Amino acid sequence: EPEVTQTPSHQVTQMGQEVILRCVPISNHLYFYWYRQILGQKVEFLVSFYNNEISEKSEIFDDQFSVERPDGSNFTLKIRSTKLEDSAMYFCASSEGSGSTDTQYFGPGTRLTVL
Amino acid sequence: QKEVEQDPGPLSVPEGAIVSLNCTYSNSAFQYFMWYRQYSRKGPELLMYTYSSGNKEDGRFTAQVDKSSKYISLFIRDSQPSDSATYLCAMSGWNRDDKIIFGKGTRLHILP
Repeated sequence: EPEVTQTPSHQVTQMGQEVILRCVPISNHLYFYWYRQILGQKVEFLVSFYNNEISEKSEIFDDQFSVERPDGSNFTLKIRSTKLEDSAMYFCASSEGSGSTDTQYFGPGTRLTVL
Repeated sequence: QKEVEQDPGPLSVPEGAIVSLNCTYSNSAFQYFMWYRQYSRKGPELLMYTYSSGNKEDGRFTAQVDKSSKYISLFIRDSQPSDSATYLCAMSGWNRDDKIIFGKGTRLHILP
């Protein structure tokens, strides 16, 4: 069964450093998403991406964040200058369509620890 | 008032029992209601979704939505130890651009 993959599984970085989290969505999917889950908190939407551009973003997704689809398979989330409060699980998801009934398939997540 | 409220648990029940998981919400614009299951160190996995009020059954799982009370439930019959996970309710509006709003999740332990 096709699945969303994410690398690395755990990333440790120093405050102020740049990190890039990588995702390989399911191959025939067209819509891509990033979510984050701070420990003990709920899963929060960050951004959705379609046709090589951001279609929606939350208030969390400020200028420190960017997303990119550098080639036909990868989807990346970059945090330019990490802060302590960026420590969280980051989940990538993908779906065939963008409707509410289009199932979003989640990856296993990347645990980001900012020291 | 938070948009989606969910008791974080943990909820421990013996194997074979019926489990009831619930969420309340405040935004009457929500039309689609979902339940995700999340195992430790894994991403959320969609279990079921329903549209508007009513019941939906899939095997041992039944999802129930009461829009008048802004209350949704997930029932698990004949619970198994493999059902032990965190269950997240989630919901979104009618528009295609509406983002999914998640509850905090309820940790469920099925005791063998």
